[in-house]
Amino acid sequence: DQQVKQNSPSLSVQEGRISILNCDYTNSMFDYFLWYKKYPAEGPTFLISISSIKDKNEDGRFTVFLNKSAKHLSLHIVPSQPGDSAVYFCAASPTGNQFYFGTGTSLTVIP
Amino acid sequence: EAGVAQSPRYKIIEKRQSVAFWCNPISGHATLYWYQQILGQGPKLLIQFQNNGVVDDSQLPKDRFSAERLKGVDSTLKIQPAKLEDSAVYLCASSLTTYGYTFGSGTRLTVV
Repeated sequence: DQQVKQNSPSLSVQEGRISILNCDYTNSMFDYFLWYKKYPAEGPTFLISISSIKDKNEDGRFTVFLNKSAKHLSLHIVPSQPGDSAVYFCAASPTGNQFYFGTGTSLTVIP
Repeated sequence: EAGVAQSPRYKIIEKRQSVAFWCNPISGHATLYWYQQILGQGPKLLIQFQNNGVVDDSQLPKDRFSAERLKGVDSTLKIQPAKLEDSAVYLCASSLTTYGYTFGSGTRLTVV
């Protein structure tokens, strides 16, 4: 049972434009959310986090939005750069401890 | 700060053989996790350690998988006997706090 879903397996964006990656979850007890970025042959790298007490968290070019009523979060990358090309995983947890991961979205930023 | 170290990077074995993976977490990180990532899927938690004690192993297939963390530092994950469906990347992660953790590069296991 997939509790965290990333329904878009891939996304292509022109360099300089906005990338929007979406994530939906089913468990209303999830209060902690993370985004990880993964390059080939490497482990996932932590990107940005948000907890349910906030609806937005920003870190440089990366912003995560949380809509708890819709059980939806999104990652915005502005402006997108070719080095952002990677697989992005969202993850959610009720406790901030054990996280459930989505299946990932492969982002390609076209120069 | 050194990252999470895992070895080997790659392993190919025949089904029914045994295999072991090793993980050295970031120094001082009390919590250690083993995740299994099958191709095309997100990482799935297998087991969580707090120091040298098991916090959660509910998703570990205990008939063939075992894990230990001696002295609360290094950890090994073993599969015996391996099945074809065990082909995956095995990721180790560690954390200092309970919010977000650092992954190693993983061990890619291919069972033939």
